Amino acid sequence: DAGITQSPRHKVTETGTPVTLRCHQTENHRYMYWYRQDPGHGLRLIHYSYGVKDTDKGEVSDGYSVSRSKTEDFLLTLESATSSQTSVYFCAIRRQLNEKLFFGSGTQLSVL
Amino acid sequence: GENVEQHPSTLSVQEGDSAVIKCTYSDSASNYFPWYKQELGKRPQLIIDIRSNVGEKKDQRIAVTLNKTAKHFSLHITETQPEDSAVYFCAASNNAGGTSYGKLTFGQGTILTVHP
Repeated sequence: DAGITQSPRHKVTETGTPVTLRCHQTENHRYMYWYRQDPGHGLRLIHYSYGVKDTDKGEVSDGYSVSRSKTEDFLLTLESATSSQTSVYFCAIRRQLNEKLFFGSGTQLSVL
Repeated sequence: GENVEQHPSTLSVQEGDSAVIKCTYSDSASNYFPWYKQELGKRPQLIIDIRSNVGEKKDQRIAVTLNKTAKHFSLHITETQPEDSAVYFCAASNNAGGTSYGKLTFGQGTILTVHP
């Protein structure tokens, strides 16, 4: 679907460790987004990118950083993981603003 | 920023009945309103979307209506089937450019259960 791959699919880590999630796309889409999904909250935007090296914060960005050094990869880093960051993380891509948003398969992250 | 409220949080219907899910949004600049369906353990998938220059859109058994004045939009599913059981999310964004970058704000989700 839309050439999006998220890795890893599942990860268990300990509190205080850094964690990096990867989103890789083969569609050459300009816009990339990281969302987290938690029961009762829907999908909340963490960070987004509107081009290589162009990123900005979403509504729940505290404790997260991102990087986009090339069009196809958008990395999400939890600098020091906490239990409140246990969640399902979805990457999404969009070619242009007036086009549809497509999601990756998600990463289930558990912070113990 | 944008705020999207979605109701109800759970909806249970009998097969063949209709289902309606409603959302309200706060930012009058929002001009794009998609609906996503998410089956258990899967990614959200777009099922229908509507832009602010249109009041209604249909695709087979699903339809979406938009009332810009009242800032609300709704998803209508007719002749529901068990395979319609899933979580449905509404969302809103401003896709006009500028600094919005098409950021989608999602509602909290509705768990739809269709009983055979």
